[in-house]
Amino acid sequence: GNSVTQMEGPVTLSEEAFLTINCTYTATGYPSLFWYVQYPGEGLQLLLKATKADDKGSNKGFEATYRKETTSFHLEKGSVQVSDSAVYFCALSDSGNQFYFGTGTSLTVIP
Amino acid sequence: EPEVTQTPSHQVTQMGQEVILRCVPISNHLYFYWYRQILGQKVEFLVSFYNNEISEKSEIFDDQFSVERPDGSNFTLKIRSTKLEDSAMYFCASSPYLTESTYNEQFFGPGTRLTVL
Repeated sequence: GNSVTQMEGPVTLSEEAFLTINCTYTATGYPSLFWYVQYPGEGLQLLLKATKADDKGSNKGFEATYRKETTSFHLEKGSVQVSDSAVYFCALSDSGNQFYFGTGTSLTVIP
Repeated sequence: EPEVTQTPSHQVTQMGQEVILRCVPISNHLYFYWYRQILGQKVEFLVSFYNNEISEKSEIFDDQFSVERPDGSNFTLKIRSTKLEDSAMYFCASSPYLTESTYNEQFFGPGTRLTVL
């Protein structure tokens, strides 16, 4: 079946630190992979996506590369800001009709 | 920018009571979804809805649950007789017509936190 395993949180970093949030997946077929972000009081927002192996999704300084050989889609950012404080969800979809999410990783960035 | 809205933001109910969670999807979207997240656990798919009928549902979506699009704008999730284990955050999502470029794009609301006492 399909599932996503995501790095446990919470994660606390100082401003300008390097961020990695690990995500691995199990899937039948060839899924698309996503990172969603949830800011306090808001909905889940699509941060980036990759639809096939070796694709790199990027947005707002965040990047993730679809690695089929390691079944991973780790989220990275070179220099985090206080405004990046949020909960980050890794997800996959293999049909467009249903998403499978990880548990979410809470990130707090301190000045 | 259009967004999915959900009401209420927090609902408290007694066990055995019926609750209706409301969602207003983005206006030109055709596909609608409900997900839930029990505290500390994964966001789980409940049901998808298209063309006024359920297109897919998970094992969680049993006879206690129902969905409806009562008018042209609202999309509701009803839990007929709530249990303690229904306490969770419920997310509504919607998708536009699924083309090659919009494939897999789901837009989520802020969620309704349901607490069953």
